[in-house]
Amino acid sequence: QSALTQPPSASGSPGQSVTVSCTGASSDVGAYNYVSWYQQHPGKAPKLIIYEVRKRPSGVPDRFSGSKSGNTASLTVSGLQAEDEADYYCSSYAGSNNFPYVFGTGTKVTVL
Amino acid sequence: EVQLVESGGGLIQPGGSLRLSCAASGFTVSNTYMTWVRQAPGKGLECVSVIYTGGTTKYTDSVKGRFTISRDSSENTLYLHMKSLGAEDTAVYYCASNLAVTGGFESWGQGTLVTVSS
Repeated sequence: QSALTQPPSASGSPGQSVTVSCTGASSDVGAYNYVSWYQQHPGKAPKLIIYEVRKRPSGVPDRFSGSKSGNTASLTVSGLQAEDEADYYCSSYAGSNNFPYVFGTGTKVTVL
Repeated sequence: EVQLVESGGGLIQPGGSLRLSCAASGFTVSNTYMTWVRQAPGKGLECVSVIYTGGTTKYTDSVKGRFTISRDSSENTLYLHMKSLGAEDTAVYYCASNLAVTGGFESWGQGTLVTVSS
């Protein structure tokens, strides 16, 4: 089971938007609407920010949004703020036949 | 308030064994899908094992036959028993609670570091 592919880095100025892609396969991202996204600051545990492609847990600002097209999911952070600088990981359900979860390779988002 | 607290990490020699614990509060471990996720130093996240509410367990290929996930309802605690450890198992290990069987790791512990080295 291969990791989902994310760009190593992305950046934007405060107030701008940045989009992070997450490319999988027809057996994971393409097959299910169960893509989630996590934000991880250095030395901290990951935090769930998007689940089921586009749903936000309580307390997550609506500046974070998710979408999916085919085998690629995307996370958009609008109105970038300094505290959004972090690593972002996607994850997808991959079915019950094999190990059910796969993570992306991770993207470092830098606020310029 | 939901809380997960891992313990049991440390320095272990290659070939050794270790048991990680994840004490839960604010919810019932046996009624929740629970997952162990690890992160090697400077690397990304990797799901290692999951236990379903019904007791079914699954493992990623690299740990099959070496790791065992379990839970204790009376202690409301999740465990990861690890044996035949190698340098490739060096990582911070997190326990996480799933929103559903389909994933969405909702709550995370602070992590416990396992270092495999002679």
